[in-house]
Amino acid sequence: DTEVTQTPKHLVMGMTNKKSLKCEQHMGHRAMYWYKQKAKKPPELMFVYSYEKLSINESVPSRFSPECPNSSLLNLHLHALQPEDSALYLCASSLKVTGTGLIEAFFGQGTRLTVV
Amino acid sequence: AQKITQTQPGMFVQEKEAVTLDCTYDTSDPSYGLFWYKQPSSGEMIFLIYQGSYDQQNATEGRYSLNFQKARKSANLVISASQLGDSAMYFCAMRAYNNNDMRFGAGTRLTVKP
Repeated sequence: DTEVTQTPKHLVMGMTNKKSLKCEQHMGHRAMYWYKQKAKKPPELMFVYSYEKLSINESVPSRFSPECPNSSLLNLHLHALQPEDSALYLCASSLKVTGTGLIEAFFGQGTRLTVV
Repeated sequence: AQKITQTQPGMFVQEKEAVTLDCTYDTSDPSYGLFWYKQPSSGEMIFLIYQGSYDQQNATEGRYSLNFQKARKSANLVISASQLGDSAMYFCAMRAYNNNDMRFGAGTRLTVKP
């Protein structure tokens, strides 16, 4: 089973709202990722968690706040977003953090976020 | 820093024919992995195939094969016997073995014609 589950699938929020995106995997993967994807563009890396610790933050604005409560769960807390933050937000996980083999990432179906 | 280049914004192929999607990369890391993903219009990213930089043989997974030419820093995806369901965006990606910073190329939109 290579399933990464993201909820919600669609989200519309106002610029003053606070919302959270959730990502869950039960494959024992030790690295989890958040990507942002605008239409007709490749995914852009936002955050990486390795063994539940934040290892990469790609200079993402503080209105995006990641959280990894345990090895299976990854959240992205959203606050005071702008319309240009509207995008597809993809979560992924990989079994190994570093080293050869088994490093491919498996993605969830994404959350389509619209900021109004 | 690593860079992934996909020079074909769009490709067309006739059903049942083979097609090659190009990917070149640049990295200073000696150890890395290369990946191809498929993204249908529904949005999910589907892992297709992986090639390690030290692998001696080209990776194959069913109808997918990766033509890996390390000296030329290319990792082209070959899809054999194209099907209508293969119509999608295809992304090449890479990451070094010593970190988990996976980056994507710009993508190629493949359209399979009946």
